[in-house]
Formats: sequence, C-alpha cells, structure tokens
Amino acid sequence: QVQLQESGPGLVKPSQTLSLTCTVSGGSITSGTYYWSWIRQPAGKGLEWIGRIYSSGSTNYNPSLKSRVTISVDTSRNQFSLTVRSATAADTAMYYCARGSMVAPYYYGMDVWGQGTTVTVSS
Amino acid sequence: EIVLTQSPATLSLSPGERATLSCRASQSVSSYLAWYQQKPGQAPRLLIYDASNRATGIPARFSGSGSGTDFTLTISSLEPEDFAVYYCQQRSKWPPETFGQGTKLEIK
Repeated sequence: QVQLQESGPGLVKPSQTLSLTCTVSGGSITSGTYYWSWIRQPAGKGLEWIGRIYSSGSTNYNPSLKSRVTISVDTSRNQFSLTVRSATAADTAMYYCARGSMVAPYYYGMDVWGQGTTVTVSS
Repeated sequence: EIVLTQSPATLSLSPGERATLSCRASQSVSSYLAWYQQKPGQAPRLLIYDASNRATGIPARFSGSGSGTDFTLTISSLEPEDFAVYYCQQRSKWPPETFGQGTKLEIK
C-alpha cells in the first residue's frame, strides 16, 4: 500500500528557509485522482493546513502562509516538497505530508499520512 | 475562511459508553467534511469521509452524520483504544482547508 515519509532538517535558524521532502512509496504520485498536502501541528496544539499540490503541478496555499510557502513536485523521484522562507519560532511544529482525494461531488478525505517530522526554528 | 467549532473540548466517558462529538461550521460545507482520530505521538488517521462514510478498515462502531453546518461523530460503544483526540476538517470552501480545534476523548 502507499506510504509517505517526510525528511529534512530538524533544526532551522530564524530567518532561514525550512525545506522538507515527502517521499511516496508503494504507488505513483501521478496515479489516480489524488493530491498531496502538507499539514503542521505545533506541540500540544491543533492541525493547520499549509497547502497542496496535484501531480500536474497545480498548487493551493493557506492565505496565512502563502507569501512564504512553496510546494513543488518531482514526479521522477515520486516526491513532493515544502519550502517555508523567513522561518520564525512560530513555524516550530510537527510537519505531516498526506494524500487526499476529491472527485466532485464527493470528498474522500486525507487517507494516507506520513509519520511526521519535527522542525524546530531556533538559533 | 470557514471556522469549524468542535464540542465539547473534552469528553470523559467509560469503556462501553456511547460518545457523541459535534462539529459546527461557520457556513455550509455541504457534505465535504472528514473526521480524524489522533493518538499521542501518531499521525492523524482518517475515520469518516464525505460526512458519513467510514474509511477503509474503520470499525462499524464509528459513524458520522450531518450536512451543511452541523455534523456528529458517534462511537456506539467505546473501546479502550478509542480514547484519543478527534478532529473534523472541511474541504468545501478553500483555501484554506480548515480543521476544528479538536475534542479530547478521555477515560472517566
């Protein structure tokens, strides 16, 4: 079955760029009607949707983060990535990648999640 | 932005009891709502999609209902492994997709 695995630095200095990659295994990132999302969760708090990308490269972002965030896809490596520029302590969180699906008029939810990776923004 | 408000914030029940969790949207999300379960140290797990459909492998004691602005997740008879935090999430009007703040289901 499809599995997702996040990777990237666990520590980022303030004002620098946070970069994470999600590797998709057990299936192709281009198959089906799926999209690929990033979600984050500060310790002890709730979930925040960051954005998503389709295998075509089309993206949607959370307006609260849009000016600092880029999500990209590398279909040859079966990966998608997250970049957050000008990181601050407020970006410290567990970061999850997830697979979602929607075929109007039905929303199938985000059914596959990575285990998450902790990112701390600190000098 | 659509705001999802979950209630109660904490629900204290015993194994075998029935749990009813609520999620209210600030405007209609049709049936584009999902429920997730999250246990400590784990990623969220999809329970219910499209408001009332159980995801693959989810036990029948979990059920979802509602449409528009009011939704309910019901666990008919609590098992020890059901004590966790539950989130609702909408995909109707975006960006952004939004999550509720969560309901913690704890053992009484």
